[in-house]
Amino acid sequence: TQLLEQSPQFLSIQEGENLTVYCNSSSVFSSLQWYRQEPGEGPVLLVTVVTGGEVKKLKRLTFQFGDARKDSSLHITAAQPGDTGLYLCAGARFSGNTGKLIFGQGTTLQVKP
Amino acid sequence: SQTIHQWPATLVQPVGSPLSLECTVEGTSNPNLYWYRQAAGRGLQLLFYSVGIGQISSEVPQNLSASRPQDRQFILSSKKLLLSDSGFYLCAWSLQAFEQYFGPGTRLTVT
Repeated sequence: TQLLEQSPQFLSIQEGENLTVYCNSSSVFSSLQWYRQEPGEGPVLLVTVVTGGEVKKLKRLTFQFGDARKDSSLHITAAQPGDTGLYLCAGARFSGNTGKLIFGQGTTLQVKP
Repeated sequence: SQTIHQWPATLVQPVGSPLSLECTVEGTSNPNLYWYRQAAGRGLQLLFYSVGIGQISSEVPQNLSASRPQDRQFILSSKKLLLSDSGFYLCAWSLQAFEQYFGPGTRLTVT
């Protein structure tokens, strides 16, 4: 079974603080996605990283894909209450001509004003 | 632009009753389609995926089935619901498999 371990599972911080969420696996993925989900809604794709060592920035969010394409991190600078939500990482694996995503268990982030 | 719809948004059903959840995608052709179930505040478990009309792959043995009668329609069904079928069901589509776009979800409560 291919697993993606996310840490921490829960994070409660004050507005303005920085934080990092980690996503680790023993398996290599062809790409890795980060999603953000609000209660009662579907996940929304934030970013896709494909190349080992790749770094992508989305405003205050920085995403990094590990050199070996087994792990990833999400760093948020100066968190805001609007960043509150469930953050999910998902690794892509292909079987034949079909790709599937393996999801981590998620990190629940609460940013207090 | 592409959009994905799911209905109903919420559903309360008694144990032993049938189930039919529908997902439709607009604005794209021949997408890959996926059904996931999510426990509260947790990750997603892939239930079924489809690469074309009538082509269904099951990931987990369970009380559910899926069908794809049209290119952009994906249906999740059950003949007799169990309490353990309660959860948040999400439909997703993709063209390149690794970038999936999710619908708004259906909250199912089996009583």
